[in-house]
Amino acid sequence: EVQLVESGGGLVQPGGSLRLSCAASGFTFSSYWMSWVRQAPGKGLEWLANINQDGSEKYYVDSVKGRFPISRDNAKSSLYLQMKSLRAEDTAVYYCAREGWPRGAFNSWGQGTLVTVSS
Amino acid sequence: DIQMTQSPSSLSASVGDRVTITCQASQDISKYLNWYQQKPGKAPKLLIYDAYNLETGVPSRFSGSASGTDFTFTISSLQPEDIATYYCQQYDNFPYTFGQGSKLEIK
Repeated sequence: EVQLVESGGGLVQPGGSLRLSCAASGFTFSSYWMSWVRQAPGKGLEWLANINQDGSEKYYVDSVKGRFPISRDNAKSSLYLQMKSLRAEDTAVYYCAREGWPRGAFNSWGQGTLVTVSS
Repeated sequence: DIQMTQSPSSLSASVGDRVTITCQASQDISKYLNWYQQKPGKAPKLLIYDAYNLETGVPSRFSGSASGTDFTFTISSLQPEDIATYYCQQYDNFPYTFGQGSKLEIK
């Protein structure tokens, strides 16, 4: 069974940093593109970033480019999002998602981890 | 960025009704459009990929169609368990973008 489990969320002050992790199991992690998607409270879905199988290609939405580098460790079957210079508007549930076939279709999601940016 | 305009933002229907949600892309995205269902407190679930194709295990009452930059998601006969918010998402260009969502309620 495919499982994605996010961790690392919590309360952080504006300007602070946080690293999110996503532990994958039940599939060959190194064979898939992976993405981060977030959802602010009561709002819609926003795609943030993705990374290819070997980490050589990364794409970002402008709002997080340069602040939230995405990375992966295939040996650990883990995906990461390093969040820096956090703002109140970054408050959201953060999901990791597997891009299946076609690439760009999120066919597996984690349960999400809540990040709250507040003083 | 490609804007996805989804409508309606909310709708109410009765069990057994046919329900339709539309999504319009701000430019040509070919068939690169997916539909997701999200129930309260849960992660989204992929229902339709490439505009038309039903994800494995998804009931056949769900379907998708496309005409140019206009995409339609249909539930042929609404069931109580279909109460959720539905999102379209394009993946023709980065950044991937979602529609604003359509919240479906039972009358």
